[in-house]
Amino acid sequence: QSALTQPPSASGSSGQSVTISCTGSSSDYVSWLQQHPGKAPKLIIYEVSKRPSGVPDRFSGSKSGNTASLTVSGLQAEDEADYYCTSYAASNPPVLFGGGTKVTVL
Amino acid sequence: QVQLVQSGAEVKKPGASVKVSCKTSGYTFSAYYIHWVRQAPGQGLEWMGWINTNSGGGTKYAQKFQGRVTVTRDTSISTAYMELSRLTSDDTAVYYCTRDMYMIQFDSWGQGTLVTVSS
Repeated sequence: QSALTQPPSASGSSGQSVTISCTGSSSDYVSWLQQHPGKAPKLIIYEVSKRPSGVPDRFSGSKSGNTASLTVSGLQAEDEADYYCTSYAASNPPVLFGGGTKVTVL
Repeated sequence: QVQLVQSGAEVKKPGASVKVSCKTSGYTFSAYYIHWVRQAPGQGLEWMGWINTNSGGGTKYAQKFQGRVTVTRDTSISTAYMELSRLTSDDTAVYYCTRDMYMIQFDSWGQGTLVTVSS
């Protein structure tokens, strides 16, 4: 059982938006990772809402209370992947991962 | 460009140990922490530990792995290592190293190393 709670799946049609929640952390240090099958994870959001260079602005992050959210707008086929939230915590373990959300583009 | 290149796949028997390396290039090794994360087949990501790659070399491990995992580094060759002992079948997983730019900003990842534990 993960310390951060994510829905196991989410879906949306091509061009639409999908939002994934991540509950369980009040930290300002929340990151989101995208992972395609058989590949290493890729950082797409850090510090709740910042995007690394090269990540499309279709990806956005936010937080309210102890729930962080990732929104993928204008869904494209290549967005079909697993998404993981991760948070820094003042505990052990100090790094928490959500269980992951599989996004399907219909 | 920043690269993290891990050692190859391993097959180990229960009770054995495994040591995975993570050779970095393209940046100042001692400037950023290295974390180790694993992923069992069909499962999610699990944090194992980190190392402060500067001269102090301080480490922190997930309580779950305390006493079984050791993360070290060799600054002379910009390489981090993760050793896991007393392996069981539950340790079968892909092990990743990742660079932490600042507070879990995991911006670069190794390609992963599959460790299979089987009798």
